[in-house]
Amino acid sequence: ILNVEQSPQSLHVQEGDSTNFTCSFPSSNFYALHWYRWETAKSPEALFVMTLNGDEKKKGRISATLNTKEGYSYLYIKGSQPEDSATYLCAPMRRALTFGSGTRLQVQP
Amino acid sequence: SAVISQKPSRDICQRGTSLTIQCQVDSQVTMMFWYRQQPGQSLTLIATANQGSEATYESGFVIDKFPISRPNLTFSTLTVSNMSPEDSSIYLCSFSGTGGLRGGNTIYFGEGSWLTVV
Repeated sequence: ILNVEQSPQSLHVQEGDSTNFTCSFPSSNFYALHWYRWETAKSPEALFVMTLNGDEKKKGRISATLNTKEGYSYLYIKGSQPEDSATYLCAPMRRALTFGSGTRLQVQP
Repeated sequence: SAVISQKPSRDICQRGTSLTIQCQVDSQVTMMFWYRQQPGQSLTLIATANQGSEATYESGFVIDKFPISRPNLTFSTLTVSNMSPEDSSIYLCSFSGTGGLRGGNTIYFGEGSWLTVV
């Protein structure tokens, strides 16, 4: 069983704050790390698929880094907005995705 | 149009009954996955469904409880059988874009089926 941990479990920030979350996972037998954004009553939305050690990806105000050797990934949100409020999930991929429990972000206007 | 259409979106079910969730994809895909999220828990893989073969179930999930059909490359169903309150969850279908029309290895999800068993 692949153990995936995300921290913090939840986070409340003010609009304009920057924030980051951590995803840790066993580094062996790994070939991709997925980040998702999941709003209530909607489909989980793919943010990033990362495969290379040292990879860094960016999408607007959101970016992510990956360290496969030590088994962690960081997700950063710069200048949080209320519409960023969602649960952020990471999931290493082997033959299927194994999800962490997520970080629930609430951005106060 | 939606990539995946999943229904029902929400239902309240009586204990002991069964419910079938349908998932329709707008293009042909090889592998489809069924997940569930119980309250306060992670999204957990139930099974992988390939067209033309029996579904592969993860540890803790069995075919008698969660029978899956995959009659063609665009459709799958998951049945939750003989439901109990512990089956109250969000159930999601998903598919891999790897090798499909969309390419890459992004995994796409339906909007989920929220089941409450009373």
